[in-house]
Amino acid sequence: AQRVTQPEKLLSVFKGAPVELKCNYSYSGSPELFWYVQYSRQRLQLLLRHISRESIKGFTADLNKGETSFHLKKPFAQEEDSAMYYCALTLRTGGGADGLTFGKGTHLIIQP
Amino acid sequence: EAQVTQNPRYLITVTGKKLTVTCSQNMNHEYMSWYRQDPGLGLRQIYYSMNVEVTDKGDVPEGYKVSRKEKRNFPLILESPSPNQTSLYFCASSRKGQASYEQYFGPGTRLTVT
Repeated sequence: AQRVTQPEKLLSVFKGAPVELKCNYSYSGSPELFWYVQYSRQRLQLLLRHISRESIKGFTADLNKGETSFHLKKPFAQEEDSAMYYCALTLRTGGGADGLTFGKGTHLIIQP
Repeated sequence: EAQVTQNPRYLITVTGKKLTVTCSQNMNHEYMSWYRQDPGLGLRQIYYSMNVEVTDKGDVPEGYKVSRKEKRNFPLILESPSPNQTSLYFCASSRKGQASYEQYFGPGTRLTVT
């Protein structure tokens, strides 16, 4: 079965410092990976997906198949980045997707 | 406005009293899913549905039922709730068949079972 591991429950950094949220996965096939974010009192929303190779709100994430990792990075943290971040993985069967497997989440706190 | 709605948003109930949490989406999405979010455990999938009349168990289906009679609705049913089902529940929907899809989440339903 697929698994997503986020080793840090809590990550606290100062404003302006670099941020790296770790995500490792275990799956023998070719999964699709996502980062979802949940700001305080807001619903969960997609931040970015590996297939798009995009940068959203200054965040990037590179899929490293050799290390089975999908770490989320931002060079200079901002206070509004404080949120709960979830790494997620989906499998593709028959052109569709069965669902998302989430990691346990990392609570990112940006200190002023 | 494209959205996923859930009702109720907050519910306190007693053990054994059947309840239903409704979920509705207006985006004509084929795929819908229910998750529960618990501290230290993250989000875990309860059930999902690939389309009308097609439902499958997720990782933690015990104690829950779902139905998908219409494309837009995907209610979550707790026939006999127990305190260990106290949690924050999220419904989500997405299109099926895209190479990379995004799940749209509802605002959540906080359930307390005493």
